[in-house]
Amino acid sequence: GAVVSQHPSWVICKSGTSVKIECRSLDFQATTMFWYRQFPKQSLMLMATSNEGSKATYEQGVEKDKFLINHASLTLSTLTVTSAHPEDSSFYICSARTPMNTEAFFGQGTRLTVV
Amino acid sequence: GENVEQHPSTLSVQEGDSAVIKCTYSDSASNYFPWYKQELGKGPQLIIDIRSNVGEKKDQRIAVTLNKTAKHFSLHITETQPEDSAVYFCAASTSNTGNQFYFGTGTSLTVIP
Repeated sequence: GAVVSQHPSWVICKSGTSVKIECRSLDFQATTMFWYRQFPKQSLMLMATSNEGSKATYEQGVEKDKFLINHASLTLSTLTVTSAHPEDSSFYICSARTPMNTEAFFGQGTRLTVV
Repeated sequence: GENVEQHPSTLSVQEGDSAVIKCTYSDSASNYFPWYKQELGKGPQLIIDIRSNVGEKKDQRIAVTLNKTAKHFSLHITETQPEDSAVYFCAASTSNTGNQFYFGTGTSLTVIP
């Protein structure tokens, strides 16, 4: 299947700092990427839909000024958690759908811990 | 919007037995139904999918059935092995690449050796 690469796989940061997570589609172009947040033993919660060349669409309740999304190219989307706080600690996952078969592939996920 | 329900939330089976996970969806416009396996600390991995123009699809020990009239689909794993232990998520979407997936709540499968 197609490959979506997410980096870093884990990060620890101090409260008040910002963290950037990258999501790359390695072998296909993705006009749309999705960012999810997952709490322990729970399902994936869609945070936002990242659209190449335009603003992201955020789900209700997700602070767009805190979770900055940039989709600068057809193969790269970034999620920046600004002024992180301990409650932002979570597992963040990106995904992209292939243009041909519309299957969705997920990145490896990023475990963010804010101390 | 779409609402996907998944059952059971946990499932334990003996090695070699079969496991069945069921999902229902609400939006008749959904026409693509993938299943994902997620191991601890990793992203979901696509294991099988089905589109609305077929009723069943099989890939070795894994099969998925779809009843579009009743709006439910199921994952069947036969001859289960310990490495099948993971959390499984069903999802529903349309074929539009810009449309999101709606996920079930997950099933934690444990295969007992």
